[in-house]
Amino acid sequence: QQQVKQSPQSLIVQKGGISIINCAYENTAFDYFPWYQQFPGKGPALLIAIRPDVSEKKEGRFTISFNKSAKQFSLHIMDSQPGDSATYFCAAKEDSNYQLIWGAGTKLIIKP
Amino acid sequence: EAEVAQSPRYKITEKSQAVAFWCDPISGHATLYWYRQILGQGPELLVQFQDESVVDDSQLPKDRFSAERLKGVDSTLKIQPAELGDSAMYLCASSLGTSGRANNEQFFGPGTRLTVL
Repeated sequence: QQQVKQSPQSLIVQKGGISIINCAYENTAFDYFPWYQQFPGKGPALLIAIRPDVSEKKEGRFTISFNKSAKQFSLHIMDSQPGDSATYFCAAKEDSNYQLIWGAGTKLIIKP
Repeated sequence: EAEVAQSPRYKITEKSQAVAFWCDPISGHATLYWYRQILGQGPELLVQFQDESVVDDSQLPKDRFSAERLKGVDSTLKIQPAELGDSAMYLCASSLGTSGRANNEQFFGPGTRLTVL
């Protein structure tokens, strides 16, 4: 019940295309859902996060879509660029709990 | 912009040797986390501190790993003796607190890449 399942494991998208990464969870007590971006040899960096009281959050080319009833959330990268090539992790957390539960990661490659 | 500092960035050691990693969290962040990340996987929490106290070290292999945050600011993670399977990226992160809407975001350092030969 504590797991966050992330798919796909890897993704190749043409420059200018839309990249979509999906995550699913079981614990209905989760109320904070961040996405982290990690470049090779670097630590993860918070990209965007959402709470269950909204269904969508957009920051620039990055959008989180959240479906509370389906217990799913996804990251959409519009107009994908080669510089977006990285590994993306979804995660989930309860406000009352310290522990961040991580997805397994998606390696995204944007082809020029 | 405030950042989490870690050193060294890279460490190569032979098995059975001792290694130590250092982390300086963002100023004012009460909570500090040490993670281990194996290539191709997500971070795995090893230990969490709230100020100088350990909140959770259930995933820390205590026979060889130790961590301290004596003054509630910077922290050291030690491995003695190192084993081949310890080769990984060791990440430090910090956050304002542990719970509550304002305290959720964890900021990560650049990590220490450990190679055990």
